Amino acid sequence: ETGVTQTPRHLVMGMTNKKSLKCEQHLGHNAMYWYKQSAKKPLELMFVYNFKEQTENNSVPIRFSPECPNSSHLFLHLHTLQPEDSALYLCASTPGGLAGKNEQFFGPGTRLTVL
Amino acid sequence: GQNIDQPTEMTATEGAIVQINCTYQTSGFNGLFWYQQHAGEAPTFLSYNVLDGLEEKGRFSSFLSRSKGYSYLLLKELQMKDSASYLCAVRENSGYSTLTFGKGTMLLVSP
Repeated sequence: ETGVTQTPRHLVMGMTNKKSLKCEQHLGHNAMYWYKQSAKKPLELMFVYNFKEQTENNSVPIRFSPECPNSSHLFLHLHTLQPEDSALYLCASTPGGLAGKNEQFFGPGTRLTVL
Repeated sequence: GQNIDQPTEMTATEGAIVQINCTYQTSGFNGLFWYQQHAGEAPTFLSYNVLDGLEEKGRFSSFLSRSKGYSYLLLKELQMKDSASYLCAVRENSGYSTLTFGKGTMLLVSP
């Protein structure tokens, strides 16, 4: 148990559906991240939020829309996805700022399948 | 940008020692991390190196040489539960704490 929870754990959706992934951290951290993990590929950073402000968007298609209403919650809204978007989506958090170890604490991920 | 390279798979036997290497190229190094990820689970933090040398933590140690762009993770007294993917990740100066990950090394420990 890392203190970062994600729901749902598994999601199957059609290409025309709209769904949302939720992440919540109970660690008092100020930075939150979305990653995509596909088979045989490195973890790919998607978005970074620091103190609720988006500080990084790693050229992610607009069919993925993040939302960070407060420092504890992060959402990823999904719309008109493609089959190649099927992957494990991981959320992570860190204390925030620029200094120190600042290691990332990961949630268990949402396994997404797009049909 | 960064380029991180680590072996795809390794095998070892219970009780043995295994060394997983990671090489990287980066424009502004600000720390190297090792994570462990069991199948279907979240990556969990193992170690952090920002200065050259060896960091030891129980059965696991991690080494860094910044001049060579090289790190290794050393696992001693291997146990079956150590079968997992081991991820090397590098942080650049420009990022708040954004990491670039390697593809991971799948370690299989056999009896």
